[in-house]
Amino acid sequence: IAGITQAPTSQILAAGRRMTLRCTQDMRHNAMYWYRQDLGLGLRLIHYSNTAGTTGKGEVPDGYSVSRANTDDFPLTLASAVPSQTSVYFCASSAGARTEAFFGQGTRLTVV
Amino acid sequence: QKEVEQNSGPLSVPEGAIASLNCTYSDRVSQSFFWYRQYSGKSPELIMSIYSNGDKEDGRFTAQLNKASQYVSLLIRDSQPSDSATYLCAVKGTGTASKLTFGTGTRLQVTL
Repeated sequence: IAGITQAPTSQILAAGRRMTLRCTQDMRHNAMYWYRQDLGLGLRLIHYSNTAGTTGKGEVPDGYSVSRANTDDFPLTLASAVPSQTSVYFCASSAGARTEAFFGQGTRLTVV
Repeated sequence: QKEVEQNSGPLSVPEGAIASLNCTYSDRVSQSFFWYRQYSGKSPELIMSIYSNGDKEDGRFTAQLNKASQYVSLLIRDSQPSDSATYLCAVKGTGTASKLTFGTGTRLQVTL
């Protein structure tokens, strides 16, 4: 089934550890996004990529980095996790500049 | 001022009634507008997209866009208990900077 796959589904991480959240799509979409969702704050954009080889900062980029080496993959890295990064992380993709985005199933991350 | 604003609710409507969800956005050059539904613990799923002023209908759902007032709404006719969820308004900019920005969502409760 075509779509977006995120891994892991959930993770408990010790503070100070490095962690990469994986996101892969098989729809050949140009744009990809990473969001975090926290109660009362909605979906906040962390980083995005309009096409392979380019990335941009969203609303809350500090503490996170991304890369877009190819069309399909858009990993999100926490270099040194802190408890405030405890959240549900969603990856999404869209075909083009005006089109809708489709979401992965999410990764629930707890930093302790 | 947040880029996309929604009333957090909860909005409570009886079964069979019309639910009206509203959203305002700050960027006048926004081109694409979306409504997503999110059930608790799940990822957002697209309900409607709208790009031009006026109404767009799909089954029980109608999206309304007024670019002059920077306002987009979602009407749900004949509301069902299964419509109880959080509804997220999302707005996309123009050109290559295709950031997709979400409001914090409105929680809808359809009562029996």
